[in-house]
Amino acid sequence: ILNVEQSPQSLHVQEGDSTNFTCSFPSSNFYALHWYRWETAKSPEALFVMTLNGDEKKKGRISATLNTKEGYSYLYIKGSQPEDSATYLCASNSGGGADGLTFGKGTHLIIQP
Amino acid sequence: NAGVTQTPKFQVLKTGQSMTLQCAQDMNHNSMYWYRQDPGMGLRLIYYSASEGTTDKGEVPNGYNVSRLNKREFSLRLESAAPSQTSVYFCASSEPAAHYGYTFGSGTRLTVV
Repeated sequence: ILNVEQSPQSLHVQEGDSTNFTCSFPSSNFYALHWYRWETAKSPEALFVMTLNGDEKKKGRISATLNTKEGYSYLYIKGSQPEDSATYLCASNSGGGADGLTFGKGTHLIIQP
Repeated sequence: NAGVTQTPKFQVLKTGQSMTLQCAQDMNHNSMYWYRQDPGMGLRLIYYSASEGTTDKGEVPNGYNVSRLNKREFSLRLESAAPSQTSVYFCASSEPAAHYGYTFGSGTRLTVV
């Protein structure tokens, strides 16, 4: 069982500010790192899947980076908006196959108008 | 709409009762998963099915059984419900490799009294 850690657990950010948070995972036997966005009363939605060291992915104002050698990924949100309020989950897989992801506990982001 | 459909959305059971949570996907995905979400915990994998005809235990399989009825459907059964199984249950599907994102259902909130 992998140990996937996310920090901080929760975060309050002023509207318009930029922010970032961290996911750490075991670097041995790494295969893939996923980020999901989970809004209250909805189901998690995939944001990014990254597999290569140095990968950077971007979707609108949200971007993510991956360092597989040291076992961490950052998620960045530029110019936060109220609709960015959600829990952001990261998850890792060490096998490469369909044997399931191990999820972190999430970072709960609240954007204050 | 295409996606993962879970039924029921809410259920209250008495200790010792049995029930089956249903999950169906219409994206022709090969792999399906059952997770549970508890306060302060990340999503934890109960069982998964890498492909039609196969099922495997995840991190927390005790007290559960699964059936991969066909490529579309993957059900989770509680034979004798216990209060410790009070949780929100999510079904997910994906292609059978770790670099594919998951599509989640909307969840089943189960309370065992």
